[in-house]
Amino acid sequence: DVKVTQSSRYLVKRTGEKVFLECVQDMDHENMFWYRQDPGLGLRLIYFSYDVKMKEKGDIPEGYSVSREKKERFSLILESASTNQTSMYLCASSFFGQGGYTFGSGTRLTVV
Amino acid sequence: KNQVEQSPQSLIILEGKNCTLQCNYTVSPFSNLRWYKQDTGRGPVSLTIMTFSENTKSNGRYTATLDADTKQSSLHITASQLSDSASYICVVSVPWEDSNYQLIWGAGTKLIIKP
Repeated sequence: DVKVTQSSRYLVKRTGEKVFLECVQDMDHENMFWYRQDPGLGLRLIYFSYDVKMKEKGDIPEGYSVSREKKERFSLILESASTNQTSMYLCASSFFGQGGYTFGSGTRLTVV
Repeated sequence: KNQVEQSPQSLIILEGKNCTLQCNYTVSPFSNLRWYKQDTGRGPVSLTIMTFSENTKSNGRYTATLDADTKQSSLHITASQLSDSASYICVVSVPWEDSNYQLIWGAGTKLIIKP
């Protein structure tokens, strides 16, 4: 089975801190995605990548950056965490050209 | 604007009862439609996928229908179980450049099964 692993299930960070969320997949997927999920809203795409060192902005990239140095790893970076970035963050991966995503278990980030 | 709307927002039913969740979309062009189940604190897991030409698809007690003319889909759950308590999310795939896809997500329906 495809496995997408997010490094932390729960994180609590202070306002202004730099935050790294890590995601690793083990099925050689080309596409990787970072979403945030808030109550009452659908998943919102932050950034995605379809190849190593490639990245594309999603719908809400402001305040975030990403890094994909290796095919299996996609990192989401909050340069200076703010309270409005408190959310559930979900990483997903898929083969290029396929819409079937496999998701990680999510990281619930609280910024205080 | 590409949108996916789901109803109801939340639903509570007794264990053993059936229920139907709705999904309306205004997405064009359309590639396929998926229903995901998301347990609390977990990432979504795919239940069914339907292309333009498919009207119905089953996965155990879950049956999804698609009317591409009216741009509506439904997810019917038969003989509900406590483990069905979750959020159910409708997702529509839109073809994107270079043979890739963009996903348009609904906000989900939160289903609670009471014993």
